[in-house]
Amino acid sequence: AQKITQTQPGMFVQEKEAVTLDCTYDTSDPSYGLFWYKQPSSGEMIFLIYQGSYDQQNATEGRYSLNFQKARKSANLVISASQLGDSAMYFCAMRGSDDMRFGAGTRLTVKP
Amino acid sequence: NAGVTQTPKFRILKIGQSMTLQCTQDMNHNYMYWYRQDPGMGLKLIYYSVGAGITDKGEVPNGYNVSRSTTEDFPLRLELAAPSQTSVYFCASTYWEQGETQYFGPGTRLLVL
Repeated sequence: AQKITQTQPGMFVQEKEAVTLDCTYDTSDPSYGLFWYKQPSSGEMIFLIYQGSYDQQNATEGRYSLNFQKARKSANLVISASQLGDSAMYFCAMRGSDDMRFGAGTRLTVKP
Repeated sequence: NAGVTQTPKFRILKIGQSMTLQCTQDMNHNYMYWYRQDPGMGLKLIYYSVGAGITDKGEVPNGYNVSRSTTEDFPLRLELAAPSQTSVYFCASTYWEQGETQYFGPGTRLLVL
């Protein structure tokens, strides 16, 4: 069975600094995809970044990068130059054969 | 291009009542998903569909049913509402051959009393 683990219930970061949100996963599927989503207090789910299991390079999208370490089964999200608007819940997710599993989330608070 | 739309936004049900949560996407996506999010938790997959006429169970399918008669629509049916089904329900869609971005609807907040 697939499993996604986010071990940090809450994180604080100073504005303009970088922060890493941890995500580990477990799957027996040879091909899988890893996602990060942001959920602000308004409740919508916002796609941030995607990494395929066969992708050779780490994914980047603007200030977001995904630190993919396949052997360690980790897919950490790095946010550079944090902004106050980055304060939100962040969810890691994995797609296996067809279904999707989400982690419990990390609440990020950016301090001015 | 409206993306993924969900109706209603909010609903209160009595125990034992039935209802259908509507989900429509106008992006010609083949994959569609239903999730529930309990307070302070991540999303759990209820059902998903890889195309019209094809549906499959996710992690928490009990108490729900789905159908996919068209590419655009993926309704979720609650037959006998229970307090444990109080949650926020999200519908999502994606077209895998064109990238992995999964588009979410705004959610339906359901309260079962």
